[in-house]
Amino acid sequence: AQSVAQPEDQVNVAEGNPLTVKCTYSVSGNPYLFWYVQYPNRGLQFLLKYITGDNLVKGSYGFEAEFNKSQTSFHLKKPSALVSDSALYFCAVRDIDSGGYQKVTFGTGTKLQVIP
Amino acid sequence: DAMVIQNPRYQVTQFGKPVTLSCSQTLNHNVMYWYQQKSSQAPKLLFHYYDKDFNNEADTPDNFQSRRPNTSFCFLDIRSPGLGDAAMYLCATSRSEEKPQHFGDGTRLSIL
Repeated sequence: AQSVAQPEDQVNVAEGNPLTVKCTYSVSGNPYLFWYVQYPNRGLQFLLKYITGDNLVKGSYGFEAEFNKSQTSFHLKKPSALVSDSALYFCAVRDIDSGGYQKVTFGTGTKLQVIP
Repeated sequence: DAMVIQNPRYQVTQFGKPVTLSCSQTLNHNVMYWYQQKSSQAPKLLFHYYDKDFNNEADTPDNFQSRRPNTSFCFLDIRSPGLGDAAMYLCATSRSEEKPQHFGDGTRLSIL
């Protein structure tokens, strides 16, 4: 079974400060991990992914995420938050079950509020 | 250069009246997905197609069906909508199941 957890419903950060949105995962095999962002009344937009390779992954709009296998985490980070980063962020994990079926599971989402 | 297009953006239907939501893509992706999303919750996968192979999630209500007549188009049919089916419905595509998904902007369905 696979799961992904986003422990914070909301994160507030002042504009210009670094931000972190947390994600932990549990999978039976090697994880494929994703971050998506959703603005109001829009679909999800892909930000970045980790499949293999460097643990620090760089993505769109200045975001990056760090894969930590020992802590089973994939936290999203940005060095300097913008007001326009305010949105809903979803972590997702893809795994393959014992039947060979691939499935992507989304976390419950974290609302990021950047305060001017 | 819209790549995944959902029509309409807003749909209102009456309780029990069948409704069809549509999705088209210009990416020529093999995989298409339908999700239901309520009140900024996690998207809930209803169905997905790998090419013509149809996969129905175990907990998708029987009320929901899907069709994919060709690579570019996919439809979500709700046979007898109930009040609990009011939600945002998101269509997504991907080149393959391990690749990132590209989402449309959704259809917000209201039930009167």
